Amino acid sequence: DAGVTQSPTHLIKTRGQQVTLRCSPKSGHDTVSWYQQALGQGPQFIFQYYEEEERQRGNFPDRFSGHQFPNYSSELNVNALLLGDSALYLCASSWPRRGLGETQYFGPGTRLLVL
Amino acid sequence: SQQGEEDPQALSIQEGENATMNCSYKTSINNLQWYRQNSGRGLVHLILIRSNEREKHSGRLRVTLDTSKKSSSLLITASRAADTASYFCAPTAGGYNKLIFGAGTRLAVHP
Repeated sequence: DAGVTQSPTHLIKTRGQQVTLRCSPKSGHDTVSWYQQALGQGPQFIFQYYEEEERQRGNFPDRFSGHQFPNYSSELNVNALLLGDSALYLCASSWPRRGLGETQYFGPGTRLLVL
Repeated sequence: SQQGEEDPQALSIQEGENATMNCSYKTSINNLQWYRQNSGRGLVHLILIRSNEREKHSGRLRVTLDTSKKSSSLLITASRAADTASYFCAPTAGGYNKLIFGAGTRLAVHP
C-alpha cells in the first residue's frame, strides 16, 4: 500500500516564475491538504481539497491555488514566486469523518528554493 | 486560536532518559494529535487523543490531555538516539481536519 507521494522532491525557481507541485494521496483517501513549512518553523496550512473543490483555506494569497482530480490526486500552483516562498511544501491525505477529525498522512515534501 | 504551542522549544537529553513535551491551546477541540518530523522530512503521525480521553499510550509514548487547562503533554520513555526529531502538537476543531501547528519542540537524544 503506497503512502502519500509528492513530486518533484526538489525544485529551484527564480522570482516571478510559476511552479506546480504534485501529490498522490494514500490509497483510499479522498481529502488532500497542503502545508508550507519555512525553515525552523511548523507547517502552515495552505488549503484543503475534497471532492475536487477547495473546502478550507489558510491565510495565503491568491497566488497560491490548487486543484484536485477525479482520482483524488492534487496539484499546488504558486504564481509570481517570491523569495519568501522558499520552503518545504507538504501534502497530507486523510479520509475525514465529519466532526471527529482524522489522522493525516504526510508525504515527504517538495523543497522549493526561489532565487 | 486553535494553534498548539509547544514547550520547551528545544530539549537535549541522554539516551535512556525520559523526554516530556508540553502543548497548550486556546479553543475547544475535537481531538489533539502529535506528530514527529525527522530533519525536514514529512511528518509522521504518533498519536491522536480525543477530547473525552485523558490519557493514551502507544509503545514508549504516553499522551495526556487536560481540556480544563487546554493543555497536553507527550512523554517519551527510555529515549533512543532515533527519537531525535522535532515534535508538533495539532489541536483540531470544527467539522474539517485542518491542522494548525506551532513551532514544535526540537528533541536531541545523545548516545
